[in-house]
Amino acid sequence: DIQMTQSPSSLSASVGDRVAITCRASQSISRYLNWYQQKPGKAPKVLISVASSLQSGVPSRFSASGSGTDFTLTISSLQPEDFATYYCQQSYNTLWTFGQGTKVEVK
Amino acid sequence: QVTLKESGPALVKPTQTLTLTCTFSGFSLTSSGMRVSWIRQPPGKALEWLARIDWDDDKFYSTSLKTRLTISKDTSKNQVVLTMTNIAPMDTAMYYCARTHSSGWYLDSWGQGTLVTVSS
Repeated sequence: DIQMTQSPSSLSASVGDRVAITCRASQSISRYLNWYQQKPGKAPKVLISVASSLQSGVPSRFSASGSGTDFTLTISSLQPEDFATYYCQQSYNTLWTFGQGTKVEVK
Repeated sequence: QVTLKESGPALVKPTQTLTLTCTFSGFSLTSSGMRVSWIRQPPGKALEWLARIDWDDDKFYSTSLKTRLTISKDTSKNQVVLTMTNIAPMDTAMYYCARTHSSGWYLDSWGQGTLVTVSS
């Protein structure tokens, strides 16, 4: 199976900060990489698909890049509603896998 | 409007078989490219993709759990069923079902989840 490794596992940041989360695949996954946001007690919500395509309704402060094995999710100016856990997920092969998550906490 | 809702027992005894049902609306699993996955999340832990069934009845399972999982669909009822055999306490988790639309390879709509606790 393709292993997905996120870093950091958690980070503390303030409103207005620029935040970057990385995701590394154990083999090349081209651009078949998606990002999800999960808030406590809620189901995950897709933010970005195919490495960099922002989903409808997702604020433009979210962006992502990468291909092959290395990917990055960036929040340009952290807002109060962005404190959550973020997961990457690969859909390159038939067996999908998630990263272990990155929790973005209030500093 | 696409909706998915998971249902199943809240409490299961070890060694039993767990059966979860995902009932959906707003799309058809007979449409080309549609897929439904099951994902779980133990309390305080990460998401784990479990299985997927496609419109053409192709089925895919997590390597680590494939011997214990069976996924099936009933298109007349708009349901996807997941069974997990030989349940253990480490299977305690929130179980979600989620859709993948034919236009993309991502989980675009999720159910609210159902919490399953495994305890004697």
